[in-house]
Amino acid sequence: DSGVTQTPKHLITATGQRVTLRCSPRSGDLSVYWYQQSLDQGLQFLIQYYNGEERAKGNILERFSAQQFPDLHSELNLSSLELGDSALYFCASSDYRGGDYGYTFGSGTRLTVV
Amino acid sequence: GNSVTQMEGPVTLSEEAFLTINCTYTATGYPSLFWYVQYPGEGLQLLLKATKADDKGSNKGFEATYRKETTSFHLEKGSVQVSDSAVYFCALSIKGNKLVFGAGTILRVKS
Repeated sequence: DSGVTQTPKHLITATGQRVTLRCSPRSGDLSVYWYQQSLDQGLQFLIQYYNGEERAKGNILERFSAQQFPDLHSELNLSSLELGDSALYFCASSDYRGGDYGYTFGSGTRLTVV
Repeated sequence: GNSVTQMEGPVTLSEEAFLTINCTYTATGYPSLFWYVQYPGEGLQLLLKATKADDKGSNKGFEATYRKETTSFHLEKGSVQVSDSAVYFCALSIKGNKLVFGAGTILRVKS
């Protein structure tokens, strides 16, 4: 157990629907990062939050949004889902030192859009 | 921009063979460098890291040396085991910002 908890582990939904992925960071970590892993695009950075505020944005679609709550857990919302959104979505966390010291990853949520 | 290039896989080796997975980077700035490993059905785990030139990261028999002159961070292991079969990702970070990953290299070790 890495200390980063992601739920659910698997999600199957239809095109056009909306889903919410949840992440609880490792105890004491203030930063949360979301990544999308697909076969054709590899690991793509989506967004980072630090202590409740958006810190950096990557290739995140407008249909996707995220937030980090006061208890530091984060949610990634994916709407108007398309077949191409099927992927593994990883959450990672780090302490105040950020990426220079590495992240701790959760085990991911596998999203299948049918 | 910042990017990481890894050798394409899959790499298939027999047990106890020597492993090298090449990684080179392009960075606007002075990056920290990492290797992550992903076992089947799991998330990524930090394998080793190096934060300045000529540093050597090591863990579980794996090593990588930060070479600024060749912008490289090649992963090596002297004797691989079947349990090392996984996907290996090289990555960089600059000033604590987001990790940028390479495409990943699949390693398969046969007994």
